[in-house]
Amino acid sequence: GESVGLHLPTLSVQEGDNSIINCAYSNSASDYFIWYKQESGKGPQFIIDIRSNMDKRQGQRVTVLLNKTVKHLSLQIAATQPGDSAVYFCAENPYSGSARQLTFGSGTQLTVLP
Amino acid sequence: EAQVTQNPRYLITVTGKKLTVTCSQNMNHEYMSWYRQDPGLGLRQIYYSMNVEVTDKGDVPEGYKVSRKEKRNFPLILESPSPNQTSLYFCASSYERGRPQHFGDGTRLSIL
Repeated sequence: GESVGLHLPTLSVQEGDNSIINCAYSNSASDYFIWYKQESGKGPQFIIDIRSNMDKRQGQRVTVLLNKTVKHLSLQIAATQPGDSAVYFCAENPYSGSARQLTFGSGTQLTVLP
Repeated sequence: EAQVTQNPRYLITVTGKKLTVTCSQNMNHEYMSWYRQDPGLGLRQIYYSMNVEVTDKGDVPEGYKVSRKEKRNFPLILESPSPNQTSLYFCASSYERGRPQHFGDGTRLSIL
């Protein structure tokens, strides 16, 4: 089946800077994408989602950009804080119309430096 | 508080000894699923359930069983665990397919 990949396994940023986490997907039929945050010892938590009929969606301090032409997804975190340190996953729904739901990438570890 | 609760959180056991990991959600969600998480492989779906008495295989179902007798509960059963099932397991639920899932905090299984 199709899989979701991440460009960088680790990312370190200074506190207060903006973070950009990238994700490539390969199934052009995917119509829904989600970003999750996973802190150490916890399950993934929903951050933000976007449907394929949108290019951009904003939340609180986070923005997701979708470029369907190159099948690329990014998560931007503004004014990164120590509490943002976690693993971030993107996930896609490659089975439009099916019940098998999401395929997850392996994650990017974000470390916020003081 | 909306929750997905898994038990146990940690378990060390031996090959062949049947075990069950329970999962319960309090959000009246219809869709529930189980994942395993292994280094470098991300989250892989084991089984899912669209509703009571409706279950289906995910991507890695071998060696696992599930049941959905009640809407809130979705236990994962390892009838004869083997060392390659050592992993971190997550249960998740959502109100419908294609919507963001709520995850439990995970169950770390070690099969010796």
